[in-house]
Amino acid sequence: DQQVKQNSPSLSVQEGRISILNCDYTNSMFDYFLWYKKYPAEGPTFLISISSIKDKNEDGRFTVFLNKSAKHLSLHIVPSQPGDSAVYFCAASAQNAGNMLTFGGGTRLMVKP
Amino acid sequence: DAGVIQSPRHEVTEMGQEVTLRCKPISGHNSLFWYRQTMMRGLELLIYFNNNVPIDDSGMPEDRFSAKMPNASFSTLKIQPSEPRDSAVYFCATKRVSNYGYTFGSGTRLTVV
Repeated sequence: DQQVKQNSPSLSVQEGRISILNCDYTNSMFDYFLWYKKYPAEGPTFLISISSIKDKNEDGRFTVFLNKSAKHLSLHIVPSQPGDSAVYFCAASAQNAGNMLTFGGGTRLMVKP
Repeated sequence: DAGVIQSPRHEVTEMGQEVTLRCKPISGHNSLFWYRQTMMRGLELLIYFNNNVPIDDSGMPEDRFSAKMPNASFSTLKIQPSEPRDSAVYFCATKRVSNYGYTFGSGTRLTVV
């Protein structure tokens, strides 16, 4: 049973527009959420995170929104750039589980010039 | 800091052969994770260690897979005998036990023919 799901395997967006990547989770014990970005032939790298005590965290062009009641989070990238083309993984963690991350299946974002 | 170092970067082997993947964690990171990435399943956790001790190996697919962490600076993931369905990218990730975020290595792309 997947506890973290990214239902869109791919997303295509025009350069300059907003990219919205979605993630749903089922475990109510998750209290910290992260997004990782992965380029081909490289390991995933940390992008942005949010604690369950917040509903929004912003870092430059990247904003993560958390809706705890819906068990849903999203990553907004605005404006999107061709260099943002990558696979994005959502991950969730619970303090009572040793802060171990559970990853979603990933969404491949393609930003067209 | 050289980051998490994995070797080899690429491995091509024949079915039935033994394969050993290696990981050197970041100094001071005392949790180490082995993940497998496939198109179908995304990032799957195979096994993780805290302070060199295996904590959860429930993700190891079969007895053909084994992992060791003989000291704080080295871990191996071994597959014996290897099968074509083991073909995937294998990532090692490490972190401090008290932190949330992982640092990933660049991965080993394994192809079993």
